[in-house]
Amino acid sequence: AQSVSQHNHHVILSEAASLELGCNYSYGGTVNLFWYVQYPGQHLQLLLKYFSGDPLVKGIKGFEAEFIKSKFSFNLRKPSVQWSDTAEYFCAVNVNNNNDMRFGAGTRLTVKP
Amino acid sequence: EAGVVQSPRYKIIEKKQPVAFWCNPISGHNTLYWYLQNLGQGPELLIRYENEEAVDDSQLPKDRFSAERLKGVDSTLKIQPAELGDSAVYLCASNVKGGGELFFGEGSRLTVL
Repeated sequence: AQSVSQHNHHVILSEAASLELGCNYSYGGTVNLFWYVQYPGQHLQLLLKYFSGDPLVKGIKGFEAEFIKSKFSFNLRKPSVQWSDTAEYFCAVNVNNNNDMRFGAGTRLTVKP
Repeated sequence: EAGVVQSPRYKIIEKKQPVAFWCNPISGHNTLYWYLQNLGQGPELLIRYENEEAVDDSQLPKDRFSAERLKGVDSTLKIQPAELGDSAVYLCASNVKGGGELFFGEGSRLTVL
């Protein structure tokens, strides 16, 4: 079945550690890729997105993600996390430029001060 | 610019009672989504509207769930009767047509006792 997979359910890091959250998808065709973040008590908001061009995209708050087409992956990275990055992170895929947006199950990130 | 507005934010009802959620999307966004988010899970699409037309309602449990978007602007999602398993957050999102990012409301948290 077509899906979006996030490998880590819960990640716990200390401040200043590096972060990489995995995301793989199984859809064919043209894909638009997104990472959303949900801070405690807040609504989902866009962290970064990839439509085309440079496969390394930079988002807000020092986050970046790399699209690797051959691996069907779009992993999220941050070189040095902060306590304020504690949140839930969701990978999402939109296929063939339609409006069918599918989400992964999410990864909960806890950053210890 | 106002974001996606949802109400109520919280609702507690007893099983078998009806409940309704309202969503007003961002002005000019012709695509509106209702997602279900269970605890620890990613958003799952219930229904997607393009203007007034429900273009994808394949995941909507039609025996008890209904939705409408009569004038192509705001939308209502109804559950009748509610069951214990319906306890979740109901998210509304909107965007312009074409596969771009979604803008989410803060969600309506339903607790069924």
